[in-house]
Amino acid sequence: EVLLVESGGGLVQPGGSLRLSCAASGFTLSSYSMNWVRQAPGKGLEWVSYISSSSGSIYYADSVKGRFTISRDNAKNSLYLRMNSLRAEDTAVYYCVRDHQMLFDSWGQGTLVTVSS
Amino acid sequence: QSALTQEASVSGTVGQKVTLSCIGNSNNIGSFPVAWCQQISHGAPKTVMFGNSLPSGIPDRFSASKSGTTASLTVSGLQPEDEADYYCSTWDHSLNAWVFGGGTKLTVL
Repeated sequence: EVLLVESGGGLVQPGGSLRLSCAASGFTLSSYSMNWVRQAPGKGLEWVSYISSSSGSIYYADSVKGRFTISRDNAKNSLYLRMNSLRAEDTAVYYCVRDHQMLFDSWGQGTLVTVSS
Repeated sequence: QSALTQEASVSGTVGQKVTLSCIGNSNNIGSFPVAWCQQISHGAPKTVMFGNSLPSGIPDRFSASKSGTTASLTVSGLQPEDEADYYCSTWDHSLNAWVFGGGTKLTVL
C-alpha cells in the first residue's frame, strides 16, 4: 500500500521559516516524481512544487518561487519542502502527492501550516 | 480565478448518473491527460481517475472522458458515499505549472 506521511507543520510568524517532510513507503520513491500541493482554509487545491525522480527537473508555482525549495532524499524515502519568508497567505494544509505520468496519483494526509503573529 | 473551470455544485439522487465537467484550453486539457480527485468533508484528497485509468480500490461506477478542451467525470449509480468535492487537474505548458479547477461540490439527495 502506498503511504505518504507529512510532518513539520505548525504555527510560524510572518517572515519565518519551516521545513516540511514527507515519508514515503509502500513503493520505490526513486522511481517517481513528486509534488507538494496546498489548500488554504475553505479554498480549493493549489499546486506548489514538483521534483523529478532524480531531482533533475524542479518547478515552482509563481506564488512561492524564490521562497520555497523542494528536495528529496531517495535513500531515506523522503521528500522535503523548505519554506522561507512565510506570509499569511501561505497558511494552508500541505499535501505530499505522488506523480504518475504527470498526473496526481496518491496523496498524503496533509500537514497544517499556519502563518500568524 | 482557476485555470480550469468546474461547476460550483451538482446534485443527484441515489442511483442516478451525474456528469461533472472541467473546461480548459489548448495549453492544458487540450494537450494533456486529466486527473480527478475526491475530497470528502475537507479530508485528504483521493484520486478517483487519472487519465482513463481507475486507481485500485475505486469503484467502476466512476469513469472519465475528454473531448477537445473539456474533460468529464461521470458517476453512474450514485451512492451516498460519493458526496464530496471533486477537483480536476492537469499540466499547463504555457504556465509551466499544474493547474486545478475550482472544485465541484457533489450532493447526493
